[in-house]
Amino acid sequence: GDSVTQMEGPVTLSEEAFLTINCTYTATGYPSLFWYVQYPGEGLQLLLKATKADDKGSNKGFEATYRKETTSFHLEKGSVQVSDSAVYFCALRVVGNEKLTFGTGTRLTIIP
Amino acid sequence: DAGVIQSPRHEVTEMGQEVTLRCKPISGHDYLFWYRQTMMRGLELLIYFNNNVPIDDSGMPEDRFSAKMPNASFSTLKIQPSEPRDSAVYFCASSTGTGETQYFGPGTRLLVL
Repeated sequence: GDSVTQMEGPVTLSEEAFLTINCTYTATGYPSLFWYVQYPGEGLQLLLKATKADDKGSNKGFEATYRKETTSFHLEKGSVQVSDSAVYFCALRVVGNEKLTFGTGTRLTIIP
Repeated sequence: DAGVIQSPRHEVTEMGQEVTLRCKPISGHDYLFWYRQTMMRGLELLIYFNNNVPIDDSGMPEDRFSAKMPNASFSTLKIQPSEPRDSAVYFCASSTGTGETQYFGPGTRLLVL
């Protein structure tokens, strides 16, 4: 079946540090890939997405590139801020199926 | 425009009681999804509807769980009878169509004692 494996947390970084959260996937069909973010006490918000190989999704300084050859979609940001503290979820959706399959989430804490 | 609205935000109940969670999707969205988030299992899809019709309920854990969508602006997820292992955060999400972005509500945090 479909599955997403992402970096175990929690991750703690200092402000302005470089961030990478790893995500790899297994899919039964051709997937679209997503990163969602969950701030404390809130629902999930779409952060970025990519729908085909070599596409790069980007938003709010975050970016991730759809790598079909390594089945990966790693999230990166060059300089994190305290306001980036949240839980980040990698997810996939196979063409023809509306179901989102999520990874376990990575809790990120940025300290000033 | 208001986002997905869920109620209640928090629910504490005793084992054996009936629990009803409510969701109002974003106006104009044809798809509605119910997800459950637990520490052990992460985020998992329970059921989703298209134009008020259930399309995939394979994630519904057992017969104690039921979901309905009587009209385009309202859905319920019911647990009867509730058990402590049902304690979780339940999210509702909606989208405009096939392959479109799913927008999540703030969730209902359920605690079954």
